[in-house]
Amino acid sequence: SQKIEQNSEALNIQEGKTATLTCNYTNYSPAYLQWYRQDPGRGPVFLLLIRENEKEKRKERLKVTFDTTLKQSLFHITASQPADSATYLCALDLRDGNKLVFGAGTILRVKS
Amino acid sequence: DTEVTQTPKHLVMGMTNKKSLKCEQHMGHRAMYWYKQKAKKPPELMFVYSYEKLSINESVPSRFSPECPNSSLLNLHLHALQPEDSALYLCASSQPRTSGSSHLYFGPGTRLTVT
Repeated sequence: SQKIEQNSEALNIQEGKTATLTCNYTNYSPAYLQWYRQDPGRGPVFLLLIRENEKEKRKERLKVTFDTTLKQSLFHITASQPADSATYLCALDLRDGNKLVFGAGTILRVKS
Repeated sequence: DTEVTQTPKHLVMGMTNKKSLKCEQHMGHRAMYWYKQKAKKPPELMFVYSYEKLSINESVPSRFSPECPNSSLLNLHLHALQPEDSALYLCASSQPRTSGSSHLYFGPGTRLTVT
């Protein structure tokens, strides 16, 4: 069956450290992978997109990697801040038209 | 203007009511989406409109009826809902992904409670 798995437990880290979030998928062949941030009761906000032929993408303190052999993406936030606390969702952009399928998300808590 | 607006923010309705959720964007996007999200769960795709035509219906029950009157507006008509339909309903828009990926712009959502 098709699955997208993200860390099911919350990730608690100290301010200033690097947070690493994992997205693993099974029985999908995404052309692209996207990461979103969602705050409680709000809609997701786009952060980064990476293509299947890209290994790594960076934007300010954010870095995403994409390994189509391992079927895994890693999302890193360096020099984390309490304001980075939120739920982070990975989303697979399938080759099937305009279909974007989301993982359940990982809750990140950054403590000062 | 990079905003997707949704009204109402909150909606409480009985199982026999008829109501509508509204979504609007002025970014010139030609793909619009409805997602449903329950607590601690991922957004689940319900419908996709591309160039004002319904392109994806994820086997959603007929008590949910989408409508795309023009390229800026998206409605979701609700009728005879069940308590388990209570959720956050998210509207999103993007450029159609015909030749590459584009990300979604989400609205703030409508919190729906069915009593």
